[in-house]
Amino acid sequence: AQRVTQPEKLLSVFKGAPVELKCNYSYSGSPELFWYVQYSRQRLQLLLRHISRESIKGFTADLNKGETSFHLKKPFAQEEDSAMYYCAVGSASKIIFGSGTRLSIRP
Amino acid sequence: DTEVTQTPKHLVMGMTNKKSLKCEQHMGHRAMYWYKQKAKKPPELMFVYSYEKLSINESVPSRFSPECPNSSLLNLHLHALQPEDSALYLCASSQVFADRGTEAFFGQGTRLTVV
Repeated sequence: AQRVTQPEKLLSVFKGAPVELKCNYSYSGSPELFWYVQYSRQRLQLLLRHISRESIKGFTADLNKGETSFHLKKPFAQEEDSAMYYCAVGSASKIIFGSGTRLSIRP
Repeated sequence: DTEVTQTPKHLVMGMTNKKSLKCEQHMGHRAMYWYKQKAKKPPELMFVYSYEKLSINESVPSRFSPECPNSSLLNLHLHALQPEDSALYLCASSQVFADRGTEAFFGQGTRLTVV
């Protein structure tokens, strides 16, 4: 069965602290993994995808096939990072979202 | 143009009404999606169109009827909805790859309230 698990509903950290949002997936075949972000009053948008191996807004995510994880990390959180973050798995025109983690950055 | 545009932004309808949600993109994407998002929940996939043909229907009740008149447009026809159908309806589009996933671009959504 296809499943994406984000164990934390809410993550609150101080500005400047490291951030790690956890994501585990269950998927047959070779899916693509994504992180989407939804800032307040803005549309859902792609943050990064595992095949690009980019660092976007200081965030990185490494695909660990052994642990079936795709955790999102940032070494130093900024206040503008406060948003809802969704891990997603996609294959051939079907994208499944995790339940989401709300990241709150305290000043 | 890298946007997915949805109209209307807000819609209030009675349980006996018939209404339609519209979605448009001009990025040349050949896959278009409808998602339903309840408050504080993730988007749930409803329908996928690939090359203007319905390819995925996630067991959605027949009171929701999708239509893809051409490669740029996607409609969702609503009839005899229930109050529990009130939600944010999101449209998205993407390129089509047979063997892998790809980035989806989302619209702002239509906030639907059924009274």
